[in-house]
Amino acid sequence: DAGVIQSPRHEVTEMGQEVTLRCKPISGHNSLFWYRQTMMRGLELLIYFNNNVPIDDSGMPEDRFSAKMPNASFSTLKIQPSEPRDSAVYFCASSLRVGVSGGASTDTQYFGPGTRLTVL
Amino acid sequence: GEDVEQSLFLSVREGDSSVINCTYTDSSSTYLYWYKQEPGAGLQLLTYIFSNMDMKQDQRLTVLLNKKDKHLSLRIADTQTGDSAIYFCAESMSTDKLIFGTGTRLQVFP
Repeated sequence: DAGVIQSPRHEVTEMGQEVTLRCKPISGHNSLFWYRQTMMRGLELLIYFNNNVPIDDSGMPEDRFSAKMPNASFSTLKIQPSEPRDSAVYFCASSLRVGVSGGASTDTQYFGPGTRLTVL
Repeated sequence: GEDVEQSLFLSVREGDSSVINCTYTDSSSTYLYWYKQEPGAGLQLLTYIFSNMDMKQDQRLTVLLNKKDKHLSLRIADTQTGDSAIYFCAESMSTDKLIFGTGTRLQVFP
C-alpha cells in the first residue's frame, strides 16, 4: 500500500491567495483527519470525516478554512484567502475503525508526509 | 477536559535507556498510542496499548500504563542516534478522535 498521499509537499503563496491541499487516504479506510502542526500550537485537529461525512469541524480556525471529501479516496482542505499566520505543516491521516474482541476498536491513524505551507 | 501532557525535551547518551512520560485526563480512553515524528516527516505509529493492560513490550520498546494515575510511559532500550525524533503520546476518545500530547523531543548524543 502506498500509504496516505498528500500533495503538494510544499506550497509557497502570497497572502490573499487561495490554497488547496489534497489528500488520498489509504484504500479501505473509513475515517480521514486533517491536522495542522506549528511550533507554537503543536498538533491541532482541524476536522475529521467518517464515511465521507464531516463529523467534527470544531478545530477549523475560521471561515477561511473549508474541507471536503467528495468520495472515499479524496479530500481537500482549502484556505481562502490565505494569511501569513496560516503557515504551518498540514497533515492528513486516515484510519479504519475495526472491531476487536470485547467490542472495543482501535483508532490507529496513519499519517501522510504533510504539506508545508508558507504564506508570504 | 481533554489534555495530554508531556515534557518537551529529553537528552540521552547512545546506548542508554530513554523514558518518555505522558499524562492524560480521560479515564475512559480505550487505547493509548505512541507516535514518532522524524524531521520533515509525518507521524509514524510506534505502538499502542489497550487500556486493560499495564505493560506491553515490543523489541526495544516497553510501554507502561498506570491507569490509576493516568500515566503512560515509553521506554526505549539501547537508544540509538536513529531514535532521535519527536515522540507523541495520544489517547483515543469515544469517537474516532485522538488527542495528542505536545510531543517530547528526544536527542541522542554519542
